[in-house]
Amino acid sequence: RKEVEQDPGPFNVPEGATVAFNCTYSNSASQSFFWYRQDCRKEPKLLMSVYSSGNEDGRFTAQLNRASQYISLLIRDSKLSDSATYLCVWGVNFNKFYFGSGTKLNVKP
Amino acid sequence: DARVTQTPRHKVTEMGQEVTMRCQPILGHNTVFWYRQTMMQGLELLAYFRNRAPLDDSGMPKDRFSAEMPDATLATLKIQPSEPRDSAVYFCASAQTGGANTGELFFGEGSRLTVL
Repeated sequence: RKEVEQDPGPFNVPEGATVAFNCTYSNSASQSFFWYRQDCRKEPKLLMSVYSSGNEDGRFTAQLNRASQYISLLIRDSKLSDSATYLCVWGVNFNKFYFGSGTKLNVKP
Repeated sequence: DARVTQTPRHKVTEMGQEVTMRCQPILGHNTVFWYRQTMMQGLELLAYFRNRAPLDDSGMPKDRFSAEMPDATLATLKIQPSEPRDSAVYFCASAQTGGANTGELFFGEGSRLTVL
């Protein structure tokens, strides 16, 4: 079993929609969590860290549920430019980082 | 802008040939990672170094893959001999880890390898 599991999608949503992705992790010792964004044929880039209390950055909200071992990403008011693959990441001791396979999002006009 | 530099960007080779990929991490970063990305497996961690010391290469096929960091400005990933199943995009990433650092990984643009 992979350390991090994600629904590969694709999620096809209209502009302006709200969309949410979940990601489950298997190791209860996981210490840090992140969401990365990867555009087609490009490298992954950090979207946001995920804090225990939840955090928000503009239209993006990240949540962590340690009891159920999942993290989530909520995107409000989707834009065409949000179309990408979203990768969840968990890290151990800020030294070793495991990536999920990614969830593909297509935002349609 | 500081960035991670990888070479080559693209490589097509024949089965059995040696392939060497190079990475220049961001100056001042103490941790370097090698990842491999395929459609089937996603991003797999192959190996990583901290302060040039190899910490974990358990994700790497030992019989044909080797990773080294001869100095702070260069990390290498070598495949010998290469096989068609090694076809993938190989990413190098660097980060400043430890202490209060966020652990953000900065990725290079990747080396797209095709083994025929």
